[in-house]
Amino acid sequence: EAQLVESGGGLVQPGGSLRLSCAASGFTFNIYEMNWVRQAPGKGLEWVSYIGSSGSTIHYADSVKGRFTISRDNARNSMYLQMNSLRAEDSAVYYCAREGCSGGTCYAPDVWGKGTTVTVSS
Amino acid sequence: QSALTQEASVSGTVGQKVTLSCTGNSNNIGSYGVGWYQQISHGAPKTVMFGNSLPSGIPDRFSGSKSGTTASLTISGLQPEDEASYYCSTWDYRLSAQVFGGGTKLTVL
Repeated sequence: EAQLVESGGGLVQPGGSLRLSCAASGFTFNIYEMNWVRQAPGKGLEWVSYIGSSGSTIHYADSVKGRFTISRDNARNSMYLQMNSLRAEDSAVYYCAREGCSGGTCYAPDVWGKGTTVTVSS
Repeated sequence: QSALTQEASVSGTVGQKVTLSCTGNSNNIGSYGVGWYQQISHGAPKTVMFGNSLPSGIPDRFSGSKSGTTASLTISGLQPEDEASYYCSTWDYRLSAQVFGGGTKLTVL
């Protein structure tokens, strides 16, 4: 069974940094595209970043561009999100999500982790 | 403002059929399939429909369809445990971004 487990969340001061990790198991990690998705308290789901299967294609939401960096290590079946210059509005539960495919096209998450909570506050 | 538009709230009684909609444009829903996610009390999202496919373990009272730039999730025979928020998502090739709807709060009366 495909499984994703996030870690690395916590309390950080505004302007600080945090690195999130996502450990994958139960599927062939190196052929799947991956995403980070977040949810602020009381709000809906917000896409943060995408990384292709080899790591060569990367996209970011405008709200995090220039501050967050996504990466992956296929040898370790892991994905990461380095978050710098954190702001209060970055406070959210961060989910790791596998990009699902159908008919040869990949277009939306199909497997989700349980999430890790990031709180940015002084 | 979400790229995909969903009803803010929908309600139904036990046993009723309800349909949730998700409207986008030619750059997203018009070009790709749609994922649907159930979220109960802000727990982790669970995929209840992927394109036209039902993930393993999801009851067959859930079904999905798409016409043009609108996707729909239908729950036939509504159950109390279906009360949750539902989100839709797909890729947008013009934005190079994963886009989500704002979510629909489904209440089972």
